[in-house]
Amino acid sequence: KQEVTQIPAALSVPEGENLVLNCSFTDSAIYNLQWFRQDPGKGLTSLLLIQSSQREQTSGRLNASLDKSSGRSTLYIAASQPGDSATYLCAVSRAAGNKLTFGGGTRVLVKP
Amino acid sequence: GAGVSQSPSNKVTEKGKDVELRCDPISGHTALYWYRQSLGQGLEFLIYFQGNSAPDKSGLPSDRFSAERTGGSVSTLTIQRTQQEDSAVYLCASSLDSTYGYTFGSGTRLTVV
Repeated sequence: KQEVTQIPAALSVPEGENLVLNCSFTDSAIYNLQWFRQDPGKGLTSLLLIQSSQREQTSGRLNASLDKSSGRSTLYIAASQPGDSATYLCAVSRAAGNKLTFGGGTRVLVKP
Repeated sequence: GAGVSQSPSNKVTEKGKDVELRCDPISGHTALYWYRQSLGQGLEFLIYFQGNSAPDKSGLPSDRFSAERTGGSVSTLTIQRTQQEDSAVYLCASSLDSTYGYTFGSGTRLTVV
């Protein structure tokens, strides 16, 4: 059974500092991995999707890497801003169109 | 519509009553998923529809939970005889195919009193 772990569970940084969020999964036979953002009381917003054949994806200040063999992904957020404060979730899919297995999330606070 | 739409956004119901939660996926998306997020808990998979295939119901927590998807579009999640432990945010997501990932709705916050 796939298990996804996110460490740390919470993170507080001053504005401008780079953020590093970690995600690990126990079964390396994944189809893809997706990073989401969730604001309090809201749904999930997709940030980046990495297919199993890819090593990284980038969007603006966000960069996500994937090391499938070691079961790890890292989300980097450069030059953090207070608006980046949210919970960040990673999720993996075992096959095309298959259900997602989520990590517990990392709650981020960026202090002005 | 432009995104996944869920209704109602909030629902308060008395223990023992039945509730229906609705999800309108993005037009053309063949896959539709229901997840549940309880206070302090992670996201829990409930059920998955893919085109005309039989749904994957492996995540439904009890036989009080059921879901249908009519015409390959709108989906309704029904919870019968609600219990307090059913209180959670119910999230719906749709996908064109996994290459494009999943788009989530804003969820329905269900409170059973």
